[in-house]
Amino acid sequence: QVQLQESGPGLVKPSETLSLTCTVSGDSISGYYWTWIRQSPGKGLEWIGYIYSAGSTNYNPSLKSRVTMSVDTSKNQFSLKLNSVTAADTAVYYCARREMAFVSWGQGALVTVSS
Amino acid sequence: DIQMTQSPSSLSASVGDSVTITCRASQTINNYLNWYQQKPGKAPNLLIYRTSSLRRGVPSRFSGSGSGTDFTLTISSLQPEDFATYYCQQSYSTPYTFGQGTKVEI
Repeated sequence: QVQLQESGPGLVKPSETLSLTCTVSGDSISGYYWTWIRQSPGKGLEWIGYIYSAGSTNYNPSLKSRVTMSVDTSKNQFSLKLNSVTAADTAVYYCARREMAFVSWGQGALVTVSS
Repeated sequence: DIQMTQSPSSLSASVGDSVTITCRASQTINNYLNWYQQKPGKAPNLLIYRTSSLRRGVPSRFSGSGSGTDFTLTISSLQPEDFATYYCQQSYSTPYTFGQGTKVEI
């Protein structure tokens, strides 16, 4: 059974870059679409985007100018970078595997944007 | 973007009750409608995909139906572990979008 685990700083300063990594275990990262989703009290669940194991991406237009996703198949990991963060980016960030829906999720990582 | 609107935003129910949550899409989504359950401090958990397909391991008291823009999640006999927040989500087109959630409370 596939397992996902988010990791990264829990506190980011305004205007800086949020960086998270999702480590996949129990299955290969190859052949799947890997997704980032965030959840904040103000905006609910928000799809950030996905990356295919071969590297193609699809980002939410609302965040597209600030988002970069990458994948490292040798480490079975994929990553999220969100630049120029503000307090509005404070949320729990989840990584997930997309199949017919978002079937497998990480436990979530709380990221707070504050000076 | 496709807007997903759930109703009600919260409801009170008792163990054994039948509960129905509705989800409306702002345009047709060709039955690409999924339902998730979320408990406090946990990630959402997929219950139903493509409107009515039950994920393996999910109890049969959960069911989904609908078409076009209107969809429902029904819990036929509420159990104590079903008290949670439920979200619909469309996977018809990107950006994928979620409903605002329905909290099922005692």
